Amino acid sequence: SYVLTQPPSVSVAPGQTARITCGGNNIGSKSVHWYQQKPGQAPVLVVYDDSDRPSGIPERFSGSNSGNPATLTISRVEAGDEADYYCQVWDSSSDHVVFGGGTKLTVL
Amino acid sequence: QVTLKESGPALVKPTQTLTLTCTFSGFSLSTRGMRVSWIRQPPGKALEWLARIDWDDDKFYSTSLKTRLTISRDTSKNQVVLTMTNMDPVDTATYYCARMRPGYYDSSGYYAPYDFDYWGQGTLVTVSS
Repeated sequence: SYVLTQPPSVSVAPGQTARITCGGNNIGSKSVHWYQQKPGQAPVLVVYDDSDRPSGIPERFSGSNSGNPATLTISRVEAGDEADYYCQVWDSSSDHVVFGGGTKLTVL
Repeated sequence: QVTLKESGPALVKPTQTLTLTCTFSGFSLSTRGMRVSWIRQPPGKALEWLARIDWDDDKFYSTSLKTRLTISRDTSKNQVVLTMTNMDPVDTATYYCARMRPGYYDSSGYYAPYDFDYWGQGTLVTVSS
């Protein structure tokens, strides 16, 4: 089965740039989606199809997927960005949705 | 406005069957391109996809849980139901239903996205005797 690998944690100071990676076999050939989940809340889609943002998501959130790994970049990090972030793809060979293990973003 | 809401028991005993209902509004599961999934998250752990049902009643299941899951829909009630048999304490989790972004036609043909644009609030199910 397809596996997505994320770092368990990333720490960044306010105003700096956070980069969260998502690795997987030949991930560049897949569309990668990213979710933000704050404690006690449902996940929220922040980036879809590698680099597109849903309406209402700040431009500070961006994504890239030009190879392994895919990356979610959060610019000018704010305290309110502190959350768990999950990457997700669709594995066409199994017709399964796959989530990464999640990364806890800590704003110092 | 799209909304989804999960409902079901908060507590089930080991070996029992869990039945969860997702009641949604703002779209119809009969419309081409619409798909709804169930996803769960054990306390402090990652998200895990469980099952999906499509506008044409196609159904897909996680390989690891396939023998225990059944997904169905009632289009007249705008509901999707998930049953999971032989519940175990390791199945303790928050269960979410979520809509996949609808498929659409563009210059290249039909495109089916696989991200989740709307989620329910989740319902915590504890398995304990």
